[in-house]
Amino acid sequence: DAGVIQSPRHEVTEMGQEVTLRCKPISGHNSLFWYRQTMMRGLELLIYFNNNVPIDDSGMPEDRFSAKMPNASFSTLKIQPSEPRDSAVYFCASSYSGRAREQYFGPGTRLTVT
Amino acid sequence: AQTVTQSQPEMSVQEAETVTLSCTYDTSESDYYLFWYKQPPSRQMILVIRQEAYKQQNATENRFSVNFQKAAKSFSLKISDSQLGDAAMYFCALGGGSEKLVFGKGTKLTVNP
Repeated sequence: DAGVIQSPRHEVTEMGQEVTLRCKPISGHNSLFWYRQTMMRGLELLIYFNNNVPIDDSGMPEDRFSAKMPNASFSTLKIQPSEPRDSAVYFCASSYSGRAREQYFGPGTRLTVT
Repeated sequence: AQTVTQSQPEMSVQEAETVTLSCTYDTSESDYYLFWYKQPPSRQMILVIRQEAYKQQNATENRFSVNFQKAAKSFSLKISDSQLGDAAMYFCALGGGSEKLVFGKGTKLTVNP
């Protein structure tokens, strides 16, 4: 089975530009999570969806960040406008909303905003 | 609030030796789960092992085992016969009460040949 798929793997953009990160969860998983990882703050949960519905977006840093999950096999995280402090590795993870609850991570997108 | 503490920012071990990584946690949930994830330099987060709180038996996966001390809220990871490929950041994580996982800050493990 394919794991969680993220694209792009690397993104370099200039401050002020719009950035869209994409994620395809593992087939059959019904929970999806977006994380951000930096040296200073570690791994932070930004938002998570259950059955395509946003459940908790309390980790989204500000209005420049938005996330959507239009169907069970696709999600996007958008930053508009981007700023240098958004530079980080962004992970998408998915799980089956059952008792086990382990999350499976994608390879991450390394975002650099100059 | 749930918290996870990894008190060892860095650890090192000689190849073929055994190393133990520490993790303590706090939760008010009676039904919860604990995980260890490995993040090698490739940055892929890989699930290493899982423990359900209601199970008294410690989980084992090949060379990886845990010491789950529920009363002490301790969940350490033991790596036996360490290999060069075990070098990575290791994250302890706690889940329960919701879909979210709470992660520790991580322990960087170096394996010396």
